[in-house]
Amino acid sequence: GENVEQHPSTLSVQEGDSAVIKCTYSDSASNYFPWYKQELGKRPQLIIDIRSNVGEKKDQRIAVTLNKTAKHFSLHITETQPEDSAVYFCAATDPFTGGGNKLTFGTGTQLKVEL
Amino acid sequence: GAVVSQHPSRVICKSGTSVKIECRSLDFQATTMFWYRQFPKKSLMLMATSNEGSKATYEQGVEKDKFLINHASLTLSTLTVTSAHPEDSSFYICSAGDRGRVYGYTFGSGTRLTVV
Repeated sequence: GENVEQHPSTLSVQEGDSAVIKCTYSDSASNYFPWYKQELGKRPQLIIDIRSNVGEKKDQRIAVTLNKTAKHFSLHITETQPEDSAVYFCAATDPFTGGGNKLTFGTGTQLKVEL
Repeated sequence: GAVVSQHPSRVICKSGTSVKIECRSLDFQATTMFWYRQFPKKSLMLMATSNEGSKATYEQGVEKDKFLINHASLTLSTLTVTSAHPEDSSFYICSAGDRGRVYGYTFGSGTRLTVV
């Protein structure tokens, strides 16, 4: 089955700096890679996703890059703000498998943006 | 957008009792429901996958007789934690899939279960 590794587990940055979180996956069949932000006690919120037919996607301060050959993808947050502080999870899946859209999550990154 | 309502949000129960958690899709048909468990400061671990009208598929290591999943309709799936013990205390969250949205995942709001 799929295995997703995520680094770092914690990340502290100064407000305004950039933050980068990296994930690797094992199953070459995976072709959809969403990123979620989760605040304490809340549901995960999709912040950006990328499909395997593109190498990069950007949405305002957030971008995701994908290297299918190396099987890794990264989340980039620029101009970080205190409200970006949360736990971020990467995930991977092949939506077209018989098991349906089963997501495999990374281990999470606690991002803290300090004033 | 798609909404999944999950209840209760918090529940405290005594050891040995059972607790039922419900997830309802409000504006779409949830053909597939994924149930996750999340320990504090940990990732979401998939417990089981259920498809409407069929038996759930449990992940390795998850006791199907302890975590009963029912997906009897396209809008409702339930997870029952039977004979709960303190080690079952966790955050349980559902995620609904819809055949019409291959890339769509809609999470419920989660249930914080505390077994005392």
